[in-house]
Amino acid sequence: QKEVEQNSGPLSVPEGAIASLNCTYSDRGSQSFFWYRQYSGKSPELIMSIYSNGDKEDGRFTAQLNKASQYVSLLIRDSQPSDSATYLCAVNFDFGNEKLTFGTGTRLTIIP
Amino acid sequence: NAGVTQTPKFRILKIGQSMTLQCTQDMNHNYMYWYRQDPGMGLKLIYYSVGAGITDKGEVPNGYNVSRSTTEDFPLRLELAAPSQTSVYFCASRGTVKTQYFGPGTRLLVL
Repeated sequence: QKEVEQNSGPLSVPEGAIASLNCTYSDRGSQSFFWYRQYSGKSPELIMSIYSNGDKEDGRFTAQLNKASQYVSLLIRDSQPSDSATYLCAVNFDFGNEKLTFGTGTRLTIIP
Repeated sequence: NAGVTQTPKFRILKIGQSMTLQCTQDMNHNYMYWYRQDPGMGLKLIYYSVGAGITDKGEVPNGYNVSRSTTEDFPLRLELAAPSQTSVYFCASRGTVKTQYFGPGTRLLVL
């Protein structure tokens, strides 16, 4: 069974510091990787997508992908209280398969 | 452009009752999805559709049915509601880009 695993947290990070969120997945052939942010009581919203090994930066967010080690991470620089949310990692395991498999999410709290 | 809309926002059902959760998108997306999210958990795929008239099961389809007669609408039907179906239900859609856009969710309580 193809799985996506995340540490459920909670992860507490001081304001202004770097928050590091990690995700591992079970299938080395996986193609596409996504990070969604979900505020309490709200729907998920896409933060980052990454398809190739290496780093992808967008503002304060950096996604890192290592397909050989089967992990994908999300770094949040200069963390703000508004970054406090649950972060869901999602993986598209099969090329041409339009389904995503989600991890259980990591709850992040930024401490002012 | 409203994106993905879902109705109702909240519903209480008695065991054995049936209901339809509505989902509509105005982005002309071919792909649509239904997920459920239990407290503290990730999203589990119930059913999905790659276009009008085409649907397929996801990870947790038992107890649910779907239809897709138009590009815009993808209703989810619950037959014989059970307490195990208490959850938050999210509908999502995507176009040619792989980003899935989520609706606001329907909170369902089965008592």
